[in-house]
Amino acid sequence: GAVVSQHPSRVICKSGTSVKIECRSLDFQATTMFWYRQFPKQSLMLMATSNEGSKATYEQGVEKDKFLINHASLTLSTLTVTSAHPEDSSFYICSASSLRDLYGYTFGSGTRLTVV
Amino acid sequence: AQSVTQPDIHITVSEGASLELRCNYSYGATPYLFWYVQSPGQGLQLLLKYFSGDTLVQGIKGFEAEFKRSQSSFNLRKPSVHWSDAAEYFCAVVLGAGSYQLTFGKGTKLSVIP
Repeated sequence: GAVVSQHPSRVICKSGTSVKIECRSLDFQATTMFWYRQFPKQSLMLMATSNEGSKATYEQGVEKDKFLINHASLTLSTLTVTSAHPEDSSFYICSASSLRDLYGYTFGSGTRLTVV
Repeated sequence: AQSVTQPDIHITVSEGASLELRCNYSYGATPYLFWYVQSPGQGLQLLLKYFSGDTLVQGIKGFEAEFKRSQSSFNLRKPSVHWSDAAEYFCAVVLGAGSYQLTFGKGTKLSVIP
């Protein structure tokens, strides 16, 4: 089946630094990538949607200059948290779908970001 | 407002007992409906989905869900729960008709007593 590999699974960084999270589709072309943020014991909140080769569309309240999303290829999307602060600490999950299965969302295993 | 509601935050069942997790949606039309399971610190795995047709949907791991239009519900069921089913369960919807964005309920945590 479709697999999305998300790395790193855990990362600790200092305040003010940037962190990059990668999601790769291993066996399909991810034409659309979704990035979610999940707070402890809460649901997934959509941050942004990106289509390959296009700029990401951010949800209301999400700072696009802080959460940089790149989807330059059909197999790779990245989320960069710039100038991270402790309040950015969270669980970030990506999800990908393809033209062949628009509603077949494949999720990465998530990244636990801790900003100290 | 459009929403997905999972009324139960936490459910505890004994191993071998039956399970029903509730999900209600509030949309003008019937959305596409999904159930996902999430183990701690992991991503989400699709259990089943409903787009149209037969209102009783079979999924993986012995789960099923029934769509009831009159109640705007899509409840998840399992006749006999296993200890390995302990996890967080999310109901999610997509409006369809050109929309591809998943909207999630707040989740129900399932605990299983041996």
